[in-house]
Amino acid sequence: DADVTQTPRNRITKTGKRIMLECSQTKGHDRMYWYRQDPGLGLRLIYYSFDVKDINKGEISDGYSVSRQAQAKFSLSLESAIPNQTALYFCATSDPQTGENTGELFFGEGSRLTVL
Amino acid sequence: GQNIDQPTEMTATEGAIVQINCTYQTSGFNGLFWYQQHAGEAPTFLSYNVLDGLEEKGRFSSFLSRSKGYSYLLLKELQMKDSASYLCAVRDGDYQLIWGAGTKLIIKP
Repeated sequence: DADVTQTPRNRITKTGKRIMLECSQTKGHDRMYWYRQDPGLGLRLIYYSFDVKDINKGEISDGYSVSRQAQAKFSLSLESAIPNQTALYFCATSDPQTGENTGELFFGEGSRLTVL
Repeated sequence: GQNIDQPTEMTATEGAIVQINCTYQTSGFNGLFWYQQHAGEAPTFLSYNVLDGLEEKGRFSSFLSRSKGYSYLLLKELQMKDSASYLCAVRDGDYQLIWGAGTKLIIKP
């Protein structure tokens, strides 16, 4: 089983619908992130959380919200989906960078969302 | 502004060597990462440089020059399975990563 699991893997929805993407991890990391990936663009950070009580906006948080239900679970919601939110969404986890630890990201398999 | 530049696409031959360049302009620097991403899959960590010089890991090596804002990923003895996108990312603080758009590497027999 994957260490970082996302559900659903694929979703097609209509404009105005509420959508939730879920992420769970077994790596024991405190830090969790939500990114979106669009063709021709680099990964962009939507929200991040360094522990259960810590939620922070990333560079493109408008139109999104998150919930950190537990150390292992971090959900992304689109309150009212619009077509330009069509993208591939990735959840990721990391340890802090300390000593020999690079702090690299471990990604889930991705959730492909299409908003019609 | 913050910017990462890498070529959009490169083509190489199986068994050959290819170098993928990455140049960056960021407000801070706390390490540079290379990730591999096969089509439709998650990015996976390849290498990390925080000091100038070459880091070698099997067939893959990564080089960093902080004064020039430049890195490259060198792939030797190319295999068909190396066909993927290669993402360059700079960490400019504790956690914030600035990502390049990725280089799609096509390997031909």
